[in-house]
Amino acid sequence: QVQLVQSGAEVKNPGASVKVSCKASGYTITNHYIHWVRQAPGQGLEWMGVINPSSGTTSFAEKFQGRVAMTRDTSTRTVYMELHRLTTEDTAMYFCARDRSGYSVNAFDMWGHGTMVTVSS
Amino acid sequence: EIVLTQPPGTLSLSPGERATLSCRASQSLSSNSLAWYQKKPGQAPRLLIYDTSTRAPGIPDRFSGSGSGTDFTLTISSLEPEDFAVYYCQQYNNSPLGFGPGTRLDI
Repeated sequence: QVQLVQSGAEVKNPGASVKVSCKASGYTITNHYIHWVRQAPGQGLEWMGVINPSSGTTSFAEKFQGRVAMTRDTSTRTVYMELHRLTTEDTAMYFCARDRSGYSVNAFDMWGHGTMVTVSS
Repeated sequence: EIVLTQPPGTLSLSPGERATLSCRASQSLSSNSLAWYQKKPGQAPRLLIYDTSTRAPGIPDRFSGSGSGTDFTLTISSLEPEDFAVYYCQQYNNSPLGFGPGTRLDI
């Protein structure tokens, strides 16, 4: 079964970091880019960035530059998103999503179930 | 950066009616790199349409996409009760990728 399984909910203090995992199964992880998208409560979808699991190359939205890292471990078919210097405005559901193309950026055909990150003192 | 707008914010219709949702881009999407997603509370988004008009696998044929340049449309030919949700358009023509603010389809 082709799916993305994300790690569980997190509660963090302002200023801390969070690392969310996304484990792929049912397909070869190096064949598709993985994107990260978040949705704050009552808000829309926001693209954070993308990683090429084959090369490890990343590209981020300017808003998150210098504060986000995306890495992968191909041996465990897992991609990670780490966000630093958290504020209450980072409280959101974080989704990983698979790019449908195997060689360029395209639409997202499969999504993880989401990881709720709550930032609160 | 390409900005997407989706007027109106909310569309109130009834089952069996036709829904026409709009998405406008601030710049031309030269390769028709536009997708539509359905989002329900507590669920991950679901890809409906990509490349402007191609239905994703398993998507019913009552969903169709059209458009070019800066104006795009998602049409639901006859609304089913399960279609009431929020719909987002997304452009992947240029980085940064972006989503529209969404249209809520209400009963």
